[in-house]
Amino acid sequence: GDSVTQMEGPVTLSEEAFLTINCTYTATGYPSLFWYVQYPGEGLQLLLKATKADDKGSNKGFEATYRKETTSFHLEKGSVQVSDSAVYFCALSGAGANNLFFGTGTRLTVIP
Amino acid sequence: DVKVTQSSRYLVKRTGEKVFLECVQDMDHENMFWYRQDPGLGLRLIYFSYDVKMKEKGDIPEGYSVSREKKERFSLILESASTNQTSMYLCASRRQGPLYGAFFGQGTRLTVV
Repeated sequence: GDSVTQMEGPVTLSEEAFLTINCTYTATGYPSLFWYVQYPGEGLQLLLKATKADDKGSNKGFEATYRKETTSFHLEKGSVQVSDSAVYFCALSGAGANNLFFGTGTRLTVIP
Repeated sequence: DVKVTQSSRYLVKRTGEKVFLECVQDMDHENMFWYRQDPGLGLRLIYFSYDVKMKEKGDIPEGYSVSREKKERFSLILESASTNQTSMYLCASRRQGPLYGAFFGQGTRLTVV
């Protein structure tokens, strides 16, 4: 079945460091891929998405490229800030599916 | 902006009580979901609904039921609360189709004592 495997955390970075959080997926057909962010005490917010191969989603300095050949959707940011400290979830929606499949989440802490 | 509103941020209930968690969305989305979130386990789907009065079991439906009498409202019911149902509960809604992301409520932290 459809699934998402996400890099385990926690990840701790200094401010202005480069961020990569790995996400790979298993799906039949051509799924849509998403990254969500959860700030402390809040629900999840959609951060970015890509709906077909080679699409790049971007938002708030974060980027992720839908790579069909490696079944990956890694999240990157060139220079993290303390305010980026949160839990990040990779998610997948299969073609024709109503449901979203989530990774287990990666906690990011950025220290000044 | 899409708004998904959960009726409570925090709840404390006693073992054996019947518990209702309510969720309302204002964007006419067809699909609605209930997840629970536990440390180290990520989000696990309890139930989802793709239309009024329609529901499907998710990964962990045992001990829960749901109700969707109106399109905008999706309720999660714990028939007899137990301590192992202490968790964060997240409601989400989503437009029909794989291209759309889901919108989440702020979560309800339920403690069963």
